Amino acid sequence: DVKVTQSSRYLVKRTGEKVFLECVQDMDHENMFWYRQDPGLGLRLIYFSYDVKMKEKGDIPEGYSVSREKKERFSLILESASTNQTSMYLCASRVGLNNSPLHFGNGTRLTVT
Amino acid sequence: GQQLNQSPQSMFIQEGEDVSMNCTSSSIFNTWLWYKQDPGEGPVLLIALYKAGELTSNGRLTAQFGITRKDSFLNISASIPSDVGIYFCAGLRNAGNMLTFGGGTRLMVKP
Repeated sequence: DVKVTQSSRYLVKRTGEKVFLECVQDMDHENMFWYRQDPGLGLRLIYFSYDVKMKEKGDIPEGYSVSREKKERFSLILESASTNQTSMYLCASRVGLNNSPLHFGNGTRLTVT
Repeated sequence: GQQLNQSPQSMFIQEGEDVSMNCTSSSIFNTWLWYKQDPGEGPVLLIALYKAGELTSNGRLTAQFGITRKDSFLNISASIPSDVGIYFCAGLRNAGNMLTFGGGTRLMVKP
């Protein structure tokens, strides 16, 4: 089974802090994704990466950046956290650029106070 | 990206009842996926649909890829308490494109 692991289940940070959300997958997938999930809005894509050191903006990249130094690890960075970034963050991976399904981690619930 | 219109947003049903939910779009999709998210967990794939008109079952779950390619339906028969969670539809236009997600249907089942 594919395993996508997010390092933290819950995080509480202060406004203005730099925040790192880490994600690791163990199936050698090329593609990794970061989504945020908000009630009624479903999942919205923040950034994705289709290879090491490659990144592409998703639908809502403002206020975020990402890093993919190794194939198995994809980090989401909030340069200066704001209260409107309080949300559930989901990491996902999939093999190749085809129609194979996404495999999700268990999520990180971030609260910015 | 365009979000899919998923309905209903929430449902509160009695155990044993059947459930239907759907997703619609003004655009054509070539793949439809249905995910379930248990409380405190990430979404898990339930059913994948790859061809217009396709009807696929997974236990008590049945999903259909609409013939127009602009919609998909998920039915759950004889609901049980562990069906509780949020169900998401997702569509993919072409290989290499990103998934577009619906807003989710929150299902609550009363024992």
